[in-house]
Amino acid sequence: DSGVTQTPKHLITATGQRVTLRCSPRSGDLSVYWYQQSLDQGLQFLIQYYNGEERAKGNILERFSAQQFPDLHSELNLSSLELGDSALYFCASSGQTGGYGYTFGSGTRLTVV
Amino acid sequence: GQNIDQPTEMTATEGAIVQINCTYQTSGFNGLFWYQQHAGEAPTFLSYNVLDGLEEKGRFSSFLSRSKGYSYLLLKELQMKDSASYLCAVTPGTYKYIFGTGTRLKVLA
Repeated sequence: DSGVTQTPKHLITATGQRVTLRCSPRSGDLSVYWYQQSLDQGLQFLIQYYNGEERAKGNILERFSAQQFPDLHSELNLSSLELGDSALYFCASSGQTGGYGYTFGSGTRLTVV
Repeated sequence: GQNIDQPTEMTATEGAIVQINCTYQTSGFNGLFWYQQHAGEAPTFLSYNVLDGLEEKGRFSSFLSRSKGYSYLLLKELQMKDSASYLCAVTPGTYKYIFGTGTRLKVLA
């Protein structure tokens, strides 16, 4: 157990639907990062939050949004889902921005049918 | 732009030594990381280099040359459990990491 908790582990949904992925960072970590990993693709950075505020944004689609709550857990919302959104979504946390490595959660595997 | 290149696949024999190369071009540099990822699992941290030179950690070593935009991960005494993808990632001075697509290593008996 890495200390970063992601739920759910698996999600199957239909095109056009909306889903919410949840992440609880490791205790004491203020930064949360979201990454998307499609089949045979690298990890694509989506967005980062630090202590409740958005800090950096990657190639995140307008249909996707995220937030970090006062208790530091984060949610990634994916709407108007398309087949191409099927991927592994990882959350990671770190103790300081740009600090010594991420700790990744076990990921949510999203399948859009 | 930002670019990280790694070989797609490598194969080696149990007990051997393998070197996985990574070249990068980024707008800034604040450190290079290597992660191991088994299929369908989360990446796990292996090493971090911010200064030129070799960092050794047990069977794994990582080297960095900032002037050449080059790093390698050296795995010694290969074991079957080392079969995994190895991801090179650079933090360019902003808050995000940029990952390469990874090198899939197969270790054969």
